[in-house]
Amino acid sequence: ETGVTQTPRHLVMGMTNKKSLKCEQHLGHNAMYWYKQSAKKPLELMFVYNFKEQTENNSVPSRFSPECPNSSHLFLHLHTLQPEDSALYLCASSQDRGTSGTQETQYFGPGTRLLVL
Amino acid sequence: ELKVEQNPLFLSMQEEKNYTIYCNYSTTSDRLYWYRQDPGKSLESLFVLLSNGAVKQEGRLMASLDTKARLSTLHITAAVHDLSATYFCAVAAWTGGGADGLTFGKGTHLIIQP
Repeated sequence: ETGVTQTPRHLVMGMTNKKSLKCEQHLGHNAMYWYKQSAKKPLELMFVYNFKEQTENNSVPSRFSPECPNSSHLFLHLHTLQPEDSALYLCASSQDRGTSGTQETQYFGPGTRLLVL
Repeated sequence: ELKVEQNPLFLSMQEEKNYTIYCNYSTTSDRLYWYRQDPGKSLESLFVLLSNGAVKQEGRLMASLDTKARLSTLHITAAVHDLSATYFCAVAAWTGGGADGLTFGKGTHLIIQP
């Protein structure tokens, strides 16, 4: 149990569908992250949120839309995806630098395995 | 742009042998992480290295950091089958914000055979 949960664990969607991925952390952290892991590329950072504010967008296409309503929840809204977006989407959380003095470990959830048809 | 290179990318070794995985990164960073990933699973944190010369050990794994050379190593001593997994190093680049995303290496796929 990592303290970071993600739902759904598996998702199959068509290119015209709209779906959302959910992440929840139970660790009292205030920073949350989305990463993408595909077979062809190394783990890629997508978005960073700190105290609910987006602080980093790693040139992610607009068909991915993140939402962070509070420090414990993070969503990734998906629409009009492409087959090449099929991947494992990982959520992570950590303490921020101001709270811990130095940024500590990022704890990862189990991921959502997404298949776009 | 921060780049992280690991080598080797694939390693097959026998039990009881020792080996080292190398991680080079391209720009100054104050934090380096090692993670383990089992097939079909998420990432498990192994080590966080925060300063030059830092060394951490857990069981048969030992990680070190040389910030001047921008090099970290993960040393495996007397390998056992349970250590078979993919190992990733990751580096955080200081952005001035309170939280920094990680840049990962491609991972080292380690297979330990009896």
